[in-house]
Amino acid sequence: AQSVTQPDIHITVSEGASLELRCNYSYGATPYLFWYVQSPGQGLQLLLKYFSGDTLVQGIKGFEAEFKRSQSSFNLRKPSVHWSDAAEYFCAVGARGADGLTFGKGTHLIIQP
Amino acid sequence: GAVVSQHPSWVICKSGTSVKIECRSLDFQATTMFWYRQFPKQSLMLMATSNEGSKATYEQGVEKDKFLINHASLTLSTLTVTSAHPEDSSFYICSATETYEQYFGPGTRLTVT
Repeated sequence: AQSVTQPDIHITVSEGASLELRCNYSYGATPYLFWYVQSPGQGLQLLLKYFSGDTLVQGIKGFEAEFKRSQSSFNLRKPSVHWSDAAEYFCAVGARGADGLTFGKGTHLIIQP
Repeated sequence: GAVVSQHPSWVICKSGTSVKIECRSLDFQATTMFWYRQFPKQSLMLMATSNEGSKATYEQGVEKDKFLINHASLTLSTLTVTSAHPEDSSFYICSATETYEQYFGPGTRLTVT
């Protein structure tokens, strides 16, 4: 069965500091990986996705993620966070739109001034 | 980008009544739509997959008689929570697929009193 693990429930980062959110997955076939962000009471916004090709993918809002097959990881990074980045971040795995996604439990990002 | 809407965004109903939630793809046709449920401060759990013109496929543990899904057209799927109870209170999010990507609606918060 497929699964996604986000080991950090909460992360606190100072504004301007770098950020890395961890994601490990278990998937029987070629994984399609996603990072979403959710603000309180809102739906999901896609930050970036990985289907194939270059293992370093660029997304919106200055985010990037690196797919490492050997480690079954897809960690999200940002070189310098802004206060507006405070939100809940979800990593997800699934097929290319054909199946529903399996989400991790999420990481709550807090930005300190 | 593709836009998915949900209506209503927030609904309060009394225990024992039914409530219908609509999910629409506004600028594309979606052969497949998905329904997710999110409990407070938790992750999204896939409830069912909805294909236009056919019966929905429910995930294990989801009561198909309680959560009725209809996908009558390529742009509309509905979720009806029948005989709602307080434990059905949750945030319901739909998504629709175009090509290889899922686009999420803003969610509907259901409160059953």
